[in-house]
Amino acid sequence: DADVTQTPRNRITKTGKRIMLECSQTKGHDRMYWYRQDPGLGLRLIYYSFDVKDINKGEISDGYSVSRQAQAKFSLSLESAIPNQTALYFCATSETGTSMTDTQYFGPGTRLTVL
Amino acid sequence: AQSVTQLDSQVPVFEEAPVELRCNYSSSVSVYLFWYVQYPNQGLQLLLKYLSGSTLVKGINGFEAEFNKSQTSFHLRKPSVHISDTAEYFCAVSGGGSNYKLTFGKGTLLTVNP
Repeated sequence: DADVTQTPRNRITKTGKRIMLECSQTKGHDRMYWYRQDPGLGLRLIYYSFDVKDINKGEISDGYSVSRQAQAKFSLSLESAIPNQTALYFCATSETGTSMTDTQYFGPGTRLTVL
Repeated sequence: AQSVTQLDSQVPVFEEAPVELRCNYSSSVSVYLFWYVQYPNQGLQLLLKYLSGSTLVKGINGFEAEFNKSQTSFHLRKPSVHISDTAEYFCAVSGGGSNYKLTFGKGTLLTVNP
């Protein structure tokens, strides 16, 4: 079984709809991250969480919110989806340690299309 | 602030040929450098990372990278590629500070042709 899972894997929705993307991990890591990937732009950090009570904005948090329901679960919400949020979304985890050197472990991604 | 520039968006090569994927970085503090690989329809996985010590870093699948501080580069190399190395490769940098932030380059698509 995969260590980091994301649901759904694919989603098509309409402008204005509320969408939640879910991430679960069995690695026992404290730190979790949400990124979006756009062609030619690489990965950009949306939000990150160092533990259940710690949530931080990344470089492109506008239009998104997150919830850390438990150590193993980190959800990303789009309150009112818009077409330029069409992208591939990745969840990642890392261990608590020397923060700058942690390896991040990625889920398989969720492909979101907003019409 | 930190940034990463991957100089080639696409690199086509023939099987068994050598390959170099170029990465330059900028950071105002000490850097930690990473290469991740993304195979088609999969998430990213770590190939290798430079933290300190020897500037030549060996990773999985026969890849290696060399940290060059004077040229602010961290190029990825493999002496002989296989069809299965076809993937997108991302260079990333972490520059320190109390909060972890990994900055990715835009990626290089390596296509290995028979």
